[in-house]
Amino acid sequence: SAVISQKPSRDICQRGTSLTIQCQVDSQVTMMFWYRQQPGQSLTLIATANQGSEATYESGFVIDKFPISRPNLTFSTLTVSNMSPEDSSIYLCSVPSEGSDTQYFGPGTRLTVL
Amino acid sequence: QKEVEQNSGPLSVPEGAIASLNCTYSDRGSQSFFWYRQYSGKSPELIMFIYSNGDKEDGRFTAQLNKASQYVSLLIRDSQPSDSATYLCAVKESGGYQKVTFGTGTKLQVIP
Repeated sequence: SAVISQKPSRDICQRGTSLTIQCQVDSQVTMMFWYRQQPGQSLTLIATANQGSEATYESGFVIDKFPISRPNLTFSTLTVSNMSPEDSSIYLCSVPSEGSDTQYFGPGTRLTVL
Repeated sequence: QKEVEQNSGPLSVPEGAIASLNCTYSDRGSQSFFWYRQYSGKSPELIMFIYSNGDKEDGRFTAQLNKASQYVSLLIRDSQPSDSATYLCAVKESGGYQKVTFGTGTKLQVIP
């Protein structure tokens, strides 16, 4: 399985600011996924990041709020913009497994917005 | 909206017993089904996947799939306290995009 790292692992931010979360994979992958997991909830897909093209956002998520970069096949960033307390969540990146339908998750970024 | 439903629990079982976790899904065309385990404060970890009707066994874990009834289950035999976690059912949707939808998870508590 791929080894995935995320930075930062956690952060506490003020309302109205922005935070950029980094996701690094130890192998080249075509797609990277960004999920949000709000307290006590399951995972919700925010967007799919494809290298060389615009990210594909799910219903309810927009690029202005969650801009994504995918500069190469091993790295992606998700920015949470103009944060409010409702953005307090764990943000997870994941990648598909080579040759199968499965996904592997990074360790997550725990964000608290005050 | 395609849905994946799980009982949130907690499901409490004594150590050594069989834990049975269930999941239903709405997209009849779904072909791929997954179980993830998530310890508190950690990210989800894949433990089983199943594509075909019937049972699939891996150690103490058995995944069961019934596409006609649109349910998938996970059995954990000889449950251990270390199995205490939230178990997420995930379903890969049919169609071109094939998005994975996660259930809300069932919290399992194994009592020593």
